This record gives sequence, structure tokens and C-alpha cells, in this order.
Amino acid sequence: GAGVSQSPRYKVTKRGQDVALRCDPISGHVSLYWYRQALGQGPEFLTYFNYEAQQDKSGLPNDRFSAERPEGSISTLTIQRTEQRDSAMYRCASSTVAGGLPDTQYFGPGTRLTVL
Amino acid sequence: AQSVTQPDIHITVSEGASLELRCNYSYGATPYLFWYVQSPGQGLQLLLKYFSGDTLVQGIKGFEAEFKRSQSSFNLRKPSVHWSDAAEYFCAVGANSGYALNFGKGTSLLVTP
Repeated sequence: GAGVSQSPRYKVTKRGQDVALRCDPISGHVSLYWYRQALGQGPEFLTYFNYEAQQDKSGLPNDRFSAERPEGSISTLTIQRTEQRDSAMYRCASSTVAGGLPDTQYFGPGTRLTVL
Repeated sequence: AQSVTQPDIHITVSEGASLELRCNYSYGATPYLFWYVQSPGQGLQLLLKYFSGDTLVQGIKGFEAEFKRSQSSFNLRKPSVHWSDAAEYFCAVGANSGYALNFGKGTSLLVTP
């Protein structure tokens, strides 16, 4: 079956431009997570959704970052007025909800964002 | 706040030798612990996880990990390393908020002939 997919896989943009990163979770997965991974670091939590509701956005660095999941499936992470420090790998993960216990998060291949 | 420490940034082992990757966590309650592997150009793949029960957990590709509460550790082991095991390994703990994962900085494994 299909795993988590992300698009685009690579994005190069100029400073000040807006970018939208897309995540298509595994079919039927309720929870969707966004992480950011800088070079040489582990992934860092940004935000997550249960169905269409954004449950926690405490990891978003500032108000230039936003995310949505309007129909409880595909999610978009938007970065406005990009800066060079936003350059990183952006990873999406999805999971089922298993009786309140954590479940395995399945990660997509990531989007490599480069801001020039 | 919970945190994860992977003390070794790089480890080099010979093919066929045993492997142990260290992971220490800081968390007030019973942690939910994970090991992921990231191969070059690939996404993160789950190796194994610990939620409760038997403290020795078996994973894929011949890996195992042991949860030791007294030492706040969850070290990853493999008896005999293969060249294809060369990758980046991440330890993670599940946080309260929707169980978003808090990752360590990773250990890069190099396997020599």
C-alpha cells in the first residue's frame, strides 16, 4: 500500500517568497505531524492534527509558519516570507489513533527546502 | 520537559562486529521510546518501539533494544552488523501532546569491511 507522500521533494526559493509544502498521509490515518530537520540534527516537532483539527502548534517557530488540514486528509504547511534560516528538510508523518496510546508514526520522504 | 541524548555522534564498526548505540532520556513519567533509522536520501523507518511490558524489545533487521528505567536508557543493539546497516540512527521519546516525538540528534554509523 501507499505510504506517506510529500511534494515537492525539493524546493528552491528566493528569500521573501511564500512556499507551500504538501503532505498526503496514509489512507485512514487520523493523526498527522509536521517536523523540521536541520542538517546534522534530529527532526524537531512543529505541529500536529487529529482529523482536521490542529491540536498543537507550539513547535511552529513564528507566525510566518502555518498549517492546515481542511478535510482531515491532505495537509499543507505554508511558510510566508521565507528566510535563509528556514532552509531544512520538512518531514510529515501520520499515525492511527490507538485507544489513547501513542502509535507508530510513519514518515514521508520529506521536502528539502532551500532558501537563497 | 522531556529530552533525548545520543552521546555518540559517529560510530565506526567492522562488518560482523556487534553494535550498541546509546540513548538516554529525561522524562518524568513512563516514556514511550522509539528507534528510527534514516538511510541516505530515504525517510525515517521505525526499527522498534517500547510502550510497556517486556523491557527487551525486538525490532526489524535483527535489532533489539533494552529499556532500563534505573539508567534512563534505551540502547539499541545488534549482534552482527552488515554493511547495509550504515545509516543515521535516531532515538525518540513520545511527548504528552498527541505523542509528538522528541528526537535525539542522531548517531551516524559507518561500517567498514
